[in-house]
Amino acid sequence: EVQILETGGGLVKPGGSLRLSCATSGFNFNDYFMNWVRQAPGKGLEWVAQIRNKNYNYATYYAESLEGRVTISRDDSKSSVYLQVSSLRAEDTAIYYCTRRSYFDYWGQGVMVTVSS
Amino acid sequence: DIQMTQSPASLSASLEEIVTITCQASQDIGNYLSWYQQKPGKSPQLLIHSATSLADGVPSRFSGSRSGTQYSLKINRLQVEDTGIYYCLQHYSAPPTFGGGTKLELK
Repeated sequence: EVQILETGGGLVKPGGSLRLSCATSGFNFNDYFMNWVRQAPGKGLEWVAQIRNKNYNYATYYAESLEGRVTISRDDSKSSVYLQVSSLRAEDTAIYYCTRRSYFDYWGQGVMVTVSS
Repeated sequence: DIQMTQSPASLSASLEEIVTITCQASQDIGNYLSWYQQKPGKSPQLLIHSATSLADGVPSRFSGSRSGTQYSLKINRLQVEDTGIYYCLQHYSAPPTFGGGTKLELK
């Protein structure tokens, strides 16, 4: 069974940083692209970042709205993917989801990030 | 970026009714189109991928179709559990972009 579990959310002051983690199991993690998608309270879905697999040289892609402030990384030995977000702003307040594959076939339950003073 | 225009924004339908939600892509995206259902407080769940392929475990009353750059999600014989918000996603080119969502309620 595919399982995806995000951790690391919480309350952060504006200008602060956060590292989100996504632990996975139930599939061969090495084979898959992984993504982060976020959803602000009461709003729609916004793709944040993607990291491809070894076959694609672990290429990374970022949403323009966040570029320069986010870094996606992965550790295939731990079947995990990470999202480092810096210079956090109030508008970064959202649930952050970890998703699998280019078309997001599996999602984690999400982790809440609140940016507030 | 490719824009996905989803309609309607909200929809109220009766049990057993046929419901159709559409997404219009701003350019050709081939079959790189997926549909998701999201219930309150839950993460989205994949319904359809590759425009017309039903995801594992999804009831057969859900179907997807394509006509050029217009994509449709059809729900045959609407059930109570089908209420929620539906989103389309294009992943033809980066960045992947979602439609604005359709809130489906029971009449």
